[in-house]
Amino acid sequence: EAGVVQSPRYKIIEKKQPVAFWCNPISGHNTLYWYLQNLGQGPELLIRYENEEAVDDSQLPKDRFSAERLKGVDSTLKIQPAELGDSAVYLCASSLGGRVHEQYFGPGTRLTVT
Amino acid sequence: QQQVKQSPQSLIVQKGGISIINCAYENTAFDYFPWYQQFPGKGPALLIAIRPDVSEKKEGRFTISFNKSAKQFSLHIMDSQPGDSATYFCAASWGSGSARQLTFGSGTQLTVLP
Repeated sequence: EAGVVQSPRYKIIEKKQPVAFWCNPISGHNTLYWYLQNLGQGPELLIRYENEEAVDDSQLPKDRFSAERLKGVDSTLKIQPAELGDSAVYLCASSLGGRVHEQYFGPGTRLTVT
Repeated sequence: QQQVKQSPQSLIVQKGGISIINCAYENTAFDYFPWYQQFPGKGPALLIAIRPDVSEKKEGRFTISFNKSAKQFSLHIMDSQPGDSATYFCAASWGSGSARQLTFGSGTQLTVLP
């Protein structure tokens, strides 16, 4: 069974540029999460989807971040415009239903904003 | 109240030794406590988990000890191996249905010396 797939793995952009991350969850997992992980810190939830619906986006900085999960499978997280402080690893995870404690993470996208 | 405090931040253990990582919490609504393991360049992976009505859970060399009255739980890695070198995150979940959430500790970077 394929795991959570994320692309790109690495991205370097200049500040004020847009960037997008893509995630394909494990087949059959209806819940999808986007996390931000700063160096030396635990993952912090940005947004959680159940199927196509964003059920928790309270920590998503909506002035510059947006996300979508069309058709309830793949998801895209976008930052526009990027700031220096957005440099971090962006993790995508998926789980079955409400099993939030049993999440399967992708390898992440390491974003560097210069 | 939704925090899990983890210590130490880093830990160095000799091969064959016991690694101990501690976590503490305040929120009595937490009802499930997983531990995640993260290798460099990878996303976190679920390692072992425990419910608060159980005082200990063992899976191979990994054991969770849980003290409900003290609101503390710990991960013990017996006979630590260099391959165990990774960052370990404790976590806690609470809530129900679409409101169910998971919060992570800040992580412990474990180095097992050969």
